[in-house]
Amino acid sequence: QKEVEQDPGPLSVPEGAIVSLNCTYSNSAFQYFMWYRQYSRKGPELLMYTYSSGNKEDGRFTAQVDKSSKYISLFIRDSQPSDSATYLCAMSKGAQKLVFGQGTRLTINP
Amino acid sequence: DGGITQSPKYLFRKEGQNVTLSCEQNLNHDAMYWYRQDPGQGLRLIYYSQIVNDFQKGDIAEGYSVSREKKESFPLTVTSAQKNPTAFYLCASSIDRLLGGELFFGEGSRLTVL
Repeated sequence: QKEVEQDPGPLSVPEGAIVSLNCTYSNSAFQYFMWYRQYSRKGPELLMYTYSSGNKEDGRFTAQVDKSSKYISLFIRDSQPSDSATYLCAMSKGAQKLVFGQGTRLTINP
Repeated sequence: DGGITQSPKYLFRKEGQNVTLSCEQNLNHDAMYWYRQDPGQGLRLIYYSQIVNDFQKGDIAEGYSVSREKKESFPLTVTSAQKNPTAFYLCASSIDRLLGGELFFGEGSRLTVL
């Protein structure tokens, strides 16, 4: 069983929809949770960074961490075609290397 | 502009040949990393270096080698011993030597073995 599981999709939604991307994990020691966005043929870029449980909002993006369920989510409101990308979750225990999910490919249709 | 530069973007090689991928950063970051990305598998860590002249194996180091002679540079050699080298390779850096923090990525190098 992988430490971090992420549905690879692909996920296709109409413009303006609310998108929910999710990851589950097995290691309860994970404390730092990140979401990276990767456009086609580019390197990933950090989108959201949260510590421990709770919500964090940044514009149209909300990251949610539920440590009791070992489940993290990224919500995108009012989705735009420019949000079409692969989204990777990543997490760590602190001073140890990041563990990445498989990535979810998202397409927003105009 | 500060960032990570990877070259070449695309590379073709014949079986049995070694190839070296370049990674240079001008962010003054201490740690540097090499990841491999295959469809549906996310990012897998090949090697990382937290300080000049020192590096550690990641999860899939077999068939790869690295060096860290300068803080700015962390080249990756894909040797002929790597059984399935066709992949997208990503170099990354982080601000300090502590692992687990934010990574800054280059634009990647796509290697195809013919």
